[in-house]
Amino acid sequence: EADIYQTPRYLVIGTGKKITLECSQTMGHDKMYWYQQDPGMELHLIHYSYGVNSTEKGDLSSESTVSRIRTEHFPLTLESARPSHTSQYLCASSSDDYYGYTFGSGTRLTVV
Amino acid sequence: GEDVEQSLFLSVREGDSSVINCTYTDSSSTYLYWYKQEPGAGLQLLTYIFSNMDMKQDQRLTVLLNKKDKHLSLRIADTQTGDSAIYFCAESHSGNTPLVFGKGTRLSVIA
Repeated sequence: EADIYQTPRYLVIGTGKKITLECSQTMGHDKMYWYQQDPGMELHLIHYSYGVNSTEKGDLSSESTVSRIRTEHFPLTLESARPSHTSQYLCASSSDDYYGYTFGSGTRLTVV
Repeated sequence: GEDVEQSLFLSVREGDSSVINCTYTDSSSTYLYWYKQEPGAGLQLLTYIFSNMDMKQDQRLTVLLNKKDKHLSLRIADTQTGDSAIYFCAESHSGNTPLVFGKGTRLSVIA
């Protein structure tokens, strides 16, 4: 069973709105990640965290921010949504990189 | 920089074997992974192999690693329609850097 939860599952919002995508895990993993997945399947790392109060930007500049105040929670915020943000967003966590990641089911975001 | 390459599409008939290939550039890769993504879902870890191994078998899945050529393959025996999905190869060379994923191979199984 999935121990990492993403909400909402689907979201349609208007351009310019501020939104927060939620991600929580119950496994006590120190490391958490956000990926943007485009329709062509490719995954783009946008943010990651290796512990509380530690965040790093990934390869893709997505105009988003993250916070890690608690181990289990890693929300992603878009201050002003644009149609180019339309995508699937995947959250993942790991105890360390050697044994792979556990992924959430994703949030499919549409900006109109 | 690090790079992981996969072919984008593979089509096989039900009951045949599928072989999905992956090449990587980082010779210091320590762990290599195969993930499966079904429609509308996140990625699921299928299997992984340490760089000091040549082969790993798990039921219908066989992973082969050729370190010299930096080539990883995933063989699915007796492929079923439920195996239709996107398969991602990923590599890690350090516990302190994120995994590097390939672009994914879409496997279609024809009944």
